[in-house]
Amino acid sequence: GAVVSQHPSRVICKSGTSVKIECRSLDFQATTMFWYRQFPKQSLMLMATSNEGSKATYEQGVEKDKFLINHASLTLSTLTVTSAHPEDSSFYICSATPDRYQPQHFGDGTRLSIL
Amino acid sequence: DQQVKQNSPSLSVQEGRISILNCDYTNSMFDYFLWYKKYPAEGPTFLISISSIKDKNEDGRFTVFLNKSAKHLSLHIVPSQPGDSAVYFCAASFRGSQGNLIFGKGTKLSVKP
Repeated sequence: GAVVSQHPSRVICKSGTSVKIECRSLDFQATTMFWYRQFPKQSLMLMATSNEGSKATYEQGVEKDKFLINHASLTLSTLTVTSAHPEDSSFYICSATPDRYQPQHFGDGTRLSIL
Repeated sequence: DQQVKQNSPSLSVQEGRISILNCDYTNSMFDYFLWYKKYPAEGPTFLISISSIKDKNEDGRFTVFLNKSAKHLSLHIVPSQPGDSAVYFCAASFRGSQGNLIFGKGTKLSVKP
């Protein structure tokens, strides 16, 4: 089955640090990848849609200068949380799909804790 | 306002019995619905989906029912097994879009031996 790898699984760092999270589709090519965020006891909320070779599409309320997304190849998308602060602490998870008509496959997520 | 709602945060069922997880949605434009299962410290795993042109889809022990007039879908697991214990997320999308998923908050299912 389709496998999506996300790295790192957990990050603890000081306020002001920038953190990069990688999302890879291991056995299929993904024109589109998605980045979600989940706060405790809340649903997964879509942050942005990452399109290979073009700019990401951000959801309303998500700062594109704060959450930099790069989709440089058909198997890799990265999310960089720039100058992270404690309020950015959350669970970040990516997903990918071979095409829009197939289910999304998710990575295992990254638990980000900003001190 | 939440477009996809799972009103039961938790459900406990005896092994061998049927588990019924419910999901309601508000946007009648959704045309594709999915159920995902999530274990702790893992990402959601796709379970089963249904297109709005159908009212039922079955895959082994899992069946999803869609009632468009009521804007309601349900996931039936029968018979339930202890390994089914997980958080189940309902999700909806517009297939004409890029496939953006709108998720419910999830229901934690506990299947007791």
